[in-house]
Amino acid sequence: NAGVTQTPKFRILKIGQSMTLQCAQDMNHNYMYWYRQDPGMGLKLIYYSVGAGITDKGEVPNGYNVSRSTTEDFPLRLELAAPSQTSVYFCASSLQFRRQPRSNTGELFFGEGSRLTVL
Amino acid sequence: QKEVEQDPGPLSVPEGAIVSLNCTYSNSAFQYFMWYRQYSRKGPELLMYTYSSGNKEDGRFTAQVDKSSKYISLFIRDSQPSDSATYLCAMSPVTSGTYKYIFGTGTRLKVLA
Repeated sequence: NAGVTQTPKFRILKIGQSMTLQCAQDMNHNYMYWYRQDPGMGLKLIYYSVGAGITDKGEVPNGYNVSRSTTEDFPLRLELAAPSQTSVYFCASSLQFRRQPRSNTGELFFGEGSRLTVL
Repeated sequence: QKEVEQDPGPLSVPEGAIVSLNCTYSNSAFQYFMWYRQYSRKGPELLMYTYSSGNKEDGRFTAQVDKSSKYISLFIRDSQPSDSATYLCAMSPVTSGTYKYIFGTGTRLKVLA
């Protein structure tokens, strides 16, 4: 199993350009997430999805869009890139939420990250 | 006040030392507490997981949760150079159907050989 795969690993964009960060998981997880990580700021949730066709905003959704047409894929779209979107982006997945923690730890499985620079 | 506070470090210790990493939080609804380890230029990986309060031990690692003080800790015994990484605490309330983890800023740890 590959786990969570992100592409590209690195990208440089010019201000105003658009791009899509790809994320795929092969663990049959219902839940998928996009986080960004900035120095000294920890991980901030951008968007998440609880299943195909269902997405919702996280803490910092402005400037981003997502879609979830299949269980496996969760692409993140950046429209009109801005320098403030320079960051490392992590995709993650998890099993479905369970109130009984012994049946599911809620572990997040992360990809290796996509490093984006907007100039 | 941030929901989760974590000392960013960096923390440098000699090999074999006991390391204590801590997070404080303000949201009393948090029930799931996790510690992730992140090596340089890699994604975070789950290290320890605790539900509600108490202690949990796994090899050289011990996680503690004190809900009355809103304080969680990760202890590393007999630290090794391979433990050099950033350690992120994460916590989540029991919500209606999702995991919405709030992460600390991470503490950079360097274990010197």
